[in-house]
Amino acid sequence: QKEVEQDPGPLSVPEGAIVSLNCTYSNSAFQYFMWYRQYSRKGPELLMYTYSSGNKEDGRFTAQVDKSSKYISLFIRDSQPSDSATYLCAMKDDYKLSFGAGTTVTVRA
Amino acid sequence: DAMVIQNPRYQVTQFGKPVTLSCSQTLNHNVMYWYQQKSSQAPKLLFHYYDKDFNNEADTPDNFQSRRPNTSFCFLDIRSPGLGDAAMYLCATSGSGEVEQYFGPGTRLTVT
Repeated sequence: QKEVEQDPGPLSVPEGAIVSLNCTYSNSAFQYFMWYRQYSRKGPELLMYTYSSGNKEDGRFTAQVDKSSKYISLFIRDSQPSDSATYLCAMKDDYKLSFGAGTTVTVRA
Repeated sequence: DAMVIQNPRYQVTQFGKPVTLSCSQTLNHNVMYWYQQKSSQAPKLLFHYYDKDFNNEADTPDNFQSRRPNTSFCFLDIRSPGLGDAAMYLCATSGSGEVEQYFGPGTRLTVT
């Protein structure tokens, strides 16, 4: 069993729709829960991270963490074509990041 | 702008021919990482440096080695590339105790 599981998609939505992404994990020692965005032929860039269970909002992006269920989510409201990318969840334990495989999202204009 | 730079962006090498990928950073971060990312797969940590202290992941093949001559530069050496080593190689940095890792644009390695 992989430490982090993420549905690879692909996911295609019309502009303005809500995008919902999620990951599950097995390692209870993970302390930080992150979402990275990776455009084609570029390195991942951090969107946001949370430390504990609950919600965190940053503009159109909302991250949710449920440590009891080992489940994290990212919601993108009012999606734009510029949001088209691969979204990777990542979890940190000490120094190491464990990534999901990424979900490729396309927002259609 | 402070950043993580990787050269070359694309590298083609022959089966068994040694290759070196480079990474430099202007962030003055003391931690540097090398990840391997195969197509549609999660980035996989190969090793990391905390200052000059080298840390190898248990499942990193012996074929992969790394050097960090100073704070700014880090190199990934693949001694005898096989077809299975074709991947995107990502360099990342972080400050001591910081959560975020800053990634370079990656080097896409093709093995023929």
